[in-house]
Amino acid sequence: DAGITQSPRHKVTETGTPVTLRCHQTENHRYMYWYRQDPGHGLRLIHYSYGVKDTDKGEVSDGYSVSRSKTEDFLLTLESATSSQTSVYFCAISRTGGNSPLHFGNGTRLTVT
Amino acid sequence: AQTVTQSQPEMSVQEAETVTLSCTYDTSESDYYLFWYKQPPSRQMILVIRQEAYKQQNATENRFSVNFQKAAKSFSLKISDSQLGDAAMYFCAYKNTGNQFYFGTGTSLTVIP
Repeated sequence: DAGITQSPRHKVTETGTPVTLRCHQTENHRYMYWYRQDPGHGLRLIHYSYGVKDTDKGEVSDGYSVSRSKTEDFLLTLESATSSQTSVYFCAISRTGGNSPLHFGNGTRLTVT
Repeated sequence: AQTVTQSQPEMSVQEAETVTLSCTYDTSESDYYLFWYKQPPSRQMILVIRQEAYKQQNATENRFSVNFQKAAKSFSLKISDSQLGDAAMYFCAYKNTGNQFYFGTGTSLTVIP
């Protein structure tokens, strides 16, 4: 299995507080992604990165920011958490191009009360 | 963004029987890649099978095979000799040449003993 670690695994926070989720990889893959998973919506892309300090928005990026200062780390920040951001968050990595698949972390369950 | 549609929210199959999960996608690209992922209750995302759009031959992985119809933009997954361990949520995914992945909303598969 690809070496991807997400932390924390679970988090409960209050509306309006900042939250940072961390993704760490040991595979030296160029691409890293943050998805959220919600019932009836599948997995939706929040942000992705194609290199150190190179990031781009996905389809549901509002309310989220990311940073990638090192190849191995990709942080997702909710500046001011809202109840609509209660979800399961997955980090994933991929090699460049071809039929290289996504490899996923184990997910973070975030509850915003 | 490409759209991936899984029109069957839930499916069931008798143990040892065969089941087919449907997936269609919308794209104007000619070069892309398709994947099926399995998500058991453990929440882990597991790659089941992959297909390159330029290949006419359908991919197979043991009991799992696909029916790829490029003109129809259809990518169905066939599970033969279904086992209890196949019970999971299944997601179809599309990957473009920009390394972006788009997912369907998933099909929940129940295997009946």
